[in-house]
Amino acid sequence: EVLLVESGGGLGQPGGSLRLSCAASGFTFSDYWMTWVRQAPGKGLEWVANINQHGSDKYYVDSVEGRFIISRDNANSTLYLHLDSLTAEDTAVYYCARNPQNFLTGNNWFDPWGQGTMVTVSS
Amino acid sequence: DIQMTQSPSSVSASVGDRVTIACRASQGVSTWLAWYQQKPGKAPKLLIYAASSLQSGVPSRFSGSGSGTDFTLTINSLQPEDFATYYCQQTNRFPYTFGQGTKVEIK
Repeated sequence: EVLLVESGGGLGQPGGSLRLSCAASGFTFSDYWMTWVRQAPGKGLEWVANINQHGSDKYYVDSVEGRFIISRDNANSTLYLHLDSLTAEDTAVYYCARNPQNFLTGNNWFDPWGQGTMVTVSS
Repeated sequence: DIQMTQSPSSVSASVGDRVTIACRASQGVSTWLAWYQQKPGKAPKLLIYAASSLQSGVPSRFSGSGSGTDFTLTINSLQPEDFATYYCQQTNRFPYTFGQGTKVEIK
């Protein structure tokens, strides 16, 4: 069974840092792009960041560029998101997801998703 | 950035109804479009990828169509477990973007 389990959420101070982890199992982690998506309370989904199989290509939404860093440890099948310079607007449930790609067309989607980890930024 | 606009924002329907949700992209995304279902307190679940391909394990009452800028998710014969919020998403170019969501409620 393909499984993604996030951890590391909690209460963060404005201007502070947190590191989220996503432990993957049930598939060859190093074969897949991975992604982080967040959802503020009562709001819709917002894509946050993507990383390729080797960790050499990374993409971010503008609102986190320069503050968040996505990374991965293929040896331990773990995806990370380092959150820095936290603001109240970063309060959200953070989901990791596998990002399968069609090798012929490049078309891609998110499946499956983890259960999410809640980040609350407050003093 | 590519803006994704869903309509309607909410719909009230009864069990057995057909429900259609539209998604429009601000620029063409070919068929790089996915649909997700999310129930309260749960993670999103992939329903449709590449605009019209049904994800394994998803009931055949769900279908997707469209290409370019206009897409549709159709749920035939709505079931009690289908009451949820549905999101479209484009993955044609970064930043990947989602529609604002369509909540399917019980009439």
